[in-house]
Amino acid sequence: EVQLVESGGGLVQPGRSLRLSCAASGFTFDDYAMHWVRQAPGKGLEWVSGISWNSGSIGYADSVKGRFTISRDNAKNSLYLQMNSLRAEDTALYYCAKDSKYQLHQRGHFDYWGQGTLVTVSS
Amino acid sequence: DIQMTQSPSSLSASVGDRVTITCQASQDISNYLNWYQQKPGKAPKLLIYDASNLETGVPSRFSGSGSGTDFTFTISSLQPEDIATYYCQQYDNLPFTFGGGTKVEIK
Repeated sequence: EVQLVESGGGLVQPGRSLRLSCAASGFTFDDYAMHWVRQAPGKGLEWVSGISWNSGSIGYADSVKGRFTISRDNAKNSLYLQMNSLRAEDTALYYCAKDSKYQLHQRGHFDYWGQGTLVTVSS
Repeated sequence: DIQMTQSPSSLSASVGDRVTITCQASQDISNYLNWYQQKPGKAPKLLIYDASNLETGVPSRFSGSGSGTDFTFTISSLQPEDIATYYCQQYDNLPFTFGGGTKVEIK
């Protein structure tokens, strides 16, 4: 059974940093691209970032480019999101999602999602 | 960036009704369009990929069609368990943008 378990969320002050983690199990982690998708309270889904199977291809939403860094450790079956210079508008539930393909540009789909970890940016 | 315009933003229908949601892309995305269902307090779930392919295990009352810039998602006979928000998503170009969502309620 595929499982994605996010952690690392919490309350953080504007301008500070936070690192999210996603622990994957039930599938061969290094065979697939992975993504972060967020959802602000009461709002829709926003794709944040994606990374190919070998970290060779990475993409970011314009809203986080230069502040967030996605990475993965295939030996630990884990996905990460380093979030720096956090803003109030980054407050959201952050989901980890598995791609159906191994490259970002293979045009797959997000076939499994975690339950999310909540990030609140407030002073 | 490719903009995805979904309509309506909400709808109310009776059990057994046919429900249709549309999604329009700001440029040609071929058939690289996915549909997700999100029930309250839950993570999104993939229903349809590549515009018209039903994900394994998803009931056949759900279907999708379209290509290019115009896409349609249909529930052929609305069931109480279909109460959710539905999102389209383009996967043709980075960033992979979602539509604004359609909240489906029972009348």
